Amino acid sequence: QVQLQESGPGLVKPSQTLSLTCTVSGGSISSGSYYWSWIRQPAGKGLEWIGRIYTRGSTNYNPSLKSRVTISVDTSKNQFSLKLSSVTAADTAVYYCARAIVVVVPEAFDIWGQGTMVTVSS
Amino acid sequence: QSVLTQPPSVSGAPGQRVTISCTGSSSNIGAGYDVHWYQQLPGTAPKLLIYGNSNRPSGVPDRFSGSKSGTSASLAIAGLQPEDEADYYCQSYDSSLGAPSVFGTGTKVTVL
Repeated sequence: QVQLQESGPGLVKPSQTLSLTCTVSGGSISSGSYYWSWIRQPAGKGLEWIGRIYTRGSTNYNPSLKSRVTISVDTSKNQFSLKLSSVTAADTAVYYCARAIVVVVPEAFDIWGQGTMVTVSS
Repeated sequence: QSVLTQPPSVSGAPGQRVTISCTGSSSNIGAGYDVHWYQQLPGTAPKLLIYGNSNRPSGVPDRFSGSKSGTSASLAIAGLQPEDEADYYCQSYDSSLGAPSVFGTGTKVTVL
């Protein structure tokens, strides 16, 4: 049974770079046809899709964040990562990593991590 | 503000049927893109409830059902139970946004 777990600093200073890692257990990140994605949720608000990386390395980002986002994958560690630069208080949110199945359009997020709270504050 | 609009809240007594709408436009649901639904219990990550408009993943009770018509989609919960009290989100694709996924505004379901 595949499981996802986010990790990274819970506090980031304004203008710095937020860095999170999602560790995949119970299966290989390289097997199958999946998108490995990041989604965030500010407190009391809705879900916002950040971006995704395909098993073979191609990426897509939310246009509203594209200039600041980088998603990468490390198959040797069975992990994928999120970097969000030049953060402000508006980036304070719970960040989820998720696996998306590709057989439908849009992809459906069938497995989620538990989420990690990131606060942007000095 | 999302391009997929949901009512902020719906409520019902145990055993009742409630429906949640997800209203879009010709650039998303109306263009034929699939709609998925997620349930988010308090303090937890979202869970896939319905995919491809009307399909339930293994383990999801059959009292949850989804449908799509025109520029809208709906999630119905039959025989409402206390454990159904949660936030529900629809998800689809919008060709005008340039982002592969867009979520609805979310609906809080309260069991009276």
